[in-house]
Amino acid sequence: KAGVTQTPRYLIKTRGQQVTLSCSPISGHRSVSWYQQTPGQGLQFLFEYFSETQRNKGNFPGRFSGRQFSNSRSEMNVSTLELGDSALYLCASSPGTGQNTEAFFGQGTRLTVV
Amino acid sequence: GQSLEQPSEVTAVEGAIVQINCTYQTSGFYGLSWYQQHDGGAPTFLSYNALDGLEETGRFSSFLSRSDSYGYLLLQELQMKDSASYFCAVRGLSGSARQLTFGSGTQLTVLP
Repeated sequence: KAGVTQTPRYLIKTRGQQVTLSCSPISGHRSVSWYQQTPGQGLQFLFEYFSETQRNKGNFPGRFSGRQFSNSRSEMNVSTLELGDSALYLCASSPGTGQNTEAFFGQGTRLTVV
Repeated sequence: GQSLEQPSEVTAVEGAIVQINCTYQTSGFYGLSWYQQHDGGAPTFLSYNALDGLEETGRFSSFLSRSDSYGYLLLQELQMKDSASYFCAVRGLSGSARQLTFGSGTQLTVLP
């Protein structure tokens, strides 16, 4: 069973640009969650998509957005990049129903904004 | 909302036992999970407690006490490869709390 795939692994962008990150969940999983991880900040929840609908959203500005496709693949977009957006962006896949709490993470996309 | 607190750092020697605590505030949750993350790697699932008590998985054990809003991860026979960050997490029961909320993580350093 293939794991969670995130692309690209590394990305360097300049301030003001926008970026799109991609996540392919485990086959059969309908929930995809995105997290931002910065040194000392832990894993901060961005949003969760389930069956193409945003089910939950964290406390991030509107520059951060996402979507999910019918095959459960998800993308997140960050517009008007700021230096503070430099982080590891992690995607987590789970079945999304019931009390199943285990999440399977991808390797992440390390975004550097210069 | 939900919040979880963990110590930021723990240091122990190879072969020893270490306990990483997690205290939480939540209006309700399914259970307490633990994840391990090595530098540059993805968080990986370690353990889950739905009910109070101890769950054992090899060298790792996890404990939950809902009445005390407290849990811990116990690592026995520490190995150098156990040096990593450890996160506790809860998933709320419904609505906006349903996402997996993580503690800020505990950096475990295992010394030879």
